[in-house]
Amino acid sequence: DGGITQSPKYLFRKEGQNVTLSCEQNLNHDAMYWYRQDPGQGLRLIYYSQIVNDFQKGDIAEGYSVSREKKESFPLTVTSAQKNPTAFYLCASSMEALGYNSPLHFGNGTRLTVT
Amino acid sequence: AQRVTQPEKLLSVFKGAPVELKCNYSYSGSPELFWYVQYSRQRLQLLLRHISRESIKGFTADLNKGETSFHLKKPFAQEEDSAMYYCALSWGGLTGGGNKLTFGTGTQLKVEL
Repeated sequence: DGGITQSPKYLFRKEGQNVTLSCEQNLNHDAMYWYRQDPGQGLRLIYYSQIVNDFQKGDIAEGYSVSREKKESFPLTVTSAQKNPTAFYLCASSMEALGYNSPLHFGNGTRLTVT
Repeated sequence: AQRVTQPEKLLSVFKGAPVELKCNYSYSGSPELFWYVQYSRQRLQLLLRHISRESIKGFTADLNKGETSFHLKKPFAQEEDSAMYYCALSWGGLTGGGNKLTFGTGTQLKVEL
C-alpha cells in the first residue's frame, strides 16, 4: 500500500558502525519526522524536517544525523556516537509543515539491533 | 516544557465494560491533542483529535483545560479495541517552528472475553 515505506524491517549492526535507515513517502507531504520507540518511554522525536534541504533537531538528536535532499525521502543515520542505538525507529510525515497540527502518518518501523 | 503523561501501562477490562484511558498534559500554550492507536501488527495511526470533536470506533475524548486532561473513553469495550494507545500533544505550529508531537508512554488496552 502507498504511504510511508521504511526499510529494512530488521537491521543488525556491530558496535562502532554507522547505519542508515531509509524512509520514503509518496503522500506529497512537506514534513517528515523520525521517532524512536523504546519500551516504557513512548515515542521520542529525533529529527524533523519541514521542507526540503532543511531539518531541525528533536529531543534526542545526539548521535544521529539526517538529510532531506528530496521531498519524498528522509534517511536517518545512526552513528557510532549514539550510546544506545538498539531500538525501534519510526518515520512519519504530515501534510503541513508550518501549518497547524495536521496528523502524522507513520511507517511500519525499523528495528535496529546493535551488538 | 511540554509533557504528556499516561499513568497506566496496562489496562485490562472485560468485553462490554466501560473504558477510560487517562492522559494528562503540561503545556503553556494552546494545546492540540490527539489519540493514536497501534493494533497488533499494524502501523501507528491516528484515532481521533480533540479539535474534531468526533467519535471514532465508539471512542470519544474531551479536552479539559482546567484539569489539563484528555482522557479517552468508550462506554462498551470490544475485543477488537485491544491495542496500544498513545496520547499526543501537538505544539509549535505557526508560532514556533513547525508541527511537532510529544507522545505519552502509551497504555496497552486488553479487552478480555
